[in-house]
Amino acid sequence: AQSVTQPDIHITVSEGASLELRCNYSYGATPYLFWYVQSPGQGLQLLLKYFSGDTLVQGIKGFEAEFKRSQSSFNLRKPSVHWSDAAEYFCAVGALQAAGNKLTFGGGTRVLVKP
Amino acid sequence: GAVVSQHPSWVICKSGTSVKIECRSLDFQATTMFWYRQFPKQSLMLMATSNEGSKATYEQGVEKDKFLINHASLTLSTLTVTSAHPEDSSFYICSASSGRGAFFGQGTRLTVV
Repeated sequence: AQSVTQPDIHITVSEGASLELRCNYSYGATPYLFWYVQSPGQGLQLLLKYFSGDTLVQGIKGFEAEFKRSQSSFNLRKPSVHWSDAAEYFCAVGALQAAGNKLTFGGGTRVLVKP
Repeated sequence: GAVVSQHPSWVICKSGTSVKIECRSLDFQATTMFWYRQFPKQSLMLMATSNEGSKATYEQGVEKDKFLINHASLTLSTLTVTSAHPEDSSFYICSASSGRGAFFGQGTRLTVV
């Protein structure tokens, strides 16, 4: 069975500092990996995804993530956070099937940004 | 592109009544949509897979008679919470897939009083 672990429940970072969110997955086949961001009371916005190819993936809002198969990881990074980056971040793994993306989510990491 | 609209964004209903939530893919067709439930400060749990023109596939532990799913067209899936009770209060989110990935609606906050 597939699973996703986000070890950090909360992370507090100063505005302008770098951010890294950890994600480890367990999946029996080639994983398709996603990062989503959720603001309070809102749906999920796709930040980036990895299907194949270059293991360093660029996303929106200045985020990037690196797929490391040997470590079963897909960590999200941003060089310099903005106050607007305060939100909940979810890592997800799934299979890109003809029927669509059925995703399994990690528990989420809440990011707080200090002025 | 790849916009998913969910309606309503919030609803309050009385215990024992039914509530319908709509999920629409606005600029693409989705043969499959997914319904998730999210409890406060928790992650998303997949409830069911909605298949256009056929019955939904429910995850283990999800009551199919309580959470009715209809996927009548390639752009619309509905979730009906029947005979709602306070424990059904939650945040419900749908997603639809295009070739570029899974895209989510803005969610529906259901409060049953």
